[in-house]
Amino acid sequence: DSGVTQTPKHLITATGQRVTLRCSPRSGDLSVYWYQQSLDQGLQFLIQYYNGEERAKGNILERFSAQQFPDLHSELNLSSLELGDSALYFCASSVAGIAKNIQYFGAGTRLSVL
Amino acid sequence: DAKTTQPNSMESNEEEPVHLPCNHSTISGTDYIHWYRQLPSQGPEYVIHGLTSNVNNRMASLAIAEDRKSSTLILHRATLRDAAVYYCILLYSGGGADGLTFGKGTHLIIQP
Repeated sequence: DSGVTQTPKHLITATGQRVTLRCSPRSGDLSVYWYQQSLDQGLQFLIQYYNGEERAKGNILERFSAQQFPDLHSELNLSSLELGDSALYFCASSVAGIAKNIQYFGAGTRLSVL
Repeated sequence: DAKTTQPNSMESNEEEPVHLPCNHSTISGTDYIHWYRQLPSQGPEYVIHGLTSNVNNRMASLAIAEDRKSSTLILHRATLRDAAVYYCILLYSGGGADGLTFGKGTHLIIQP
């Protein structure tokens, strides 16, 4: 158990809809990262938050947004969903956003867009 | 970002050592070498990381070439539970974006 909690585990929705994925980082971790894993694109970094502030953006679509709350949990919002958004979404956390720190990953949320 | 090159797949027998290679010829002096693995149906899991010197932990050893252009992850005695995709990742230590850039990794198959 990594200590990172993601909910829900599975999500099934329809095209055009909006969903919210939730992540609770390990106790004491200030950084939260979101990743997407699909069969054709592999594991891709989406966005990073550090202590409530956006720190870095990766390959995140404009239809996607995230935030980190004062209690350090984070939410990833996906809107106007398309079939191609079906994927595993992972959250990870680390103590601080510096290179040598280790990232701990949650078990993921599997999103199916029908 | 500096890139890494790994074999697509490797096969080994249970209870034998496994050496997983990674080439990173464009590595910069401030890049850390990280290894993660992803077991089937799970999120990625940190294995080990290093900068210049060889590193050991309870999971594995990391051997880094003197010129830092390659490294090898060593599993001393593979078990069936070590069957996973192993990712070699460079992480710039100079601040800024710290998201991990995953390549295709090496799919390690362990035969009983």
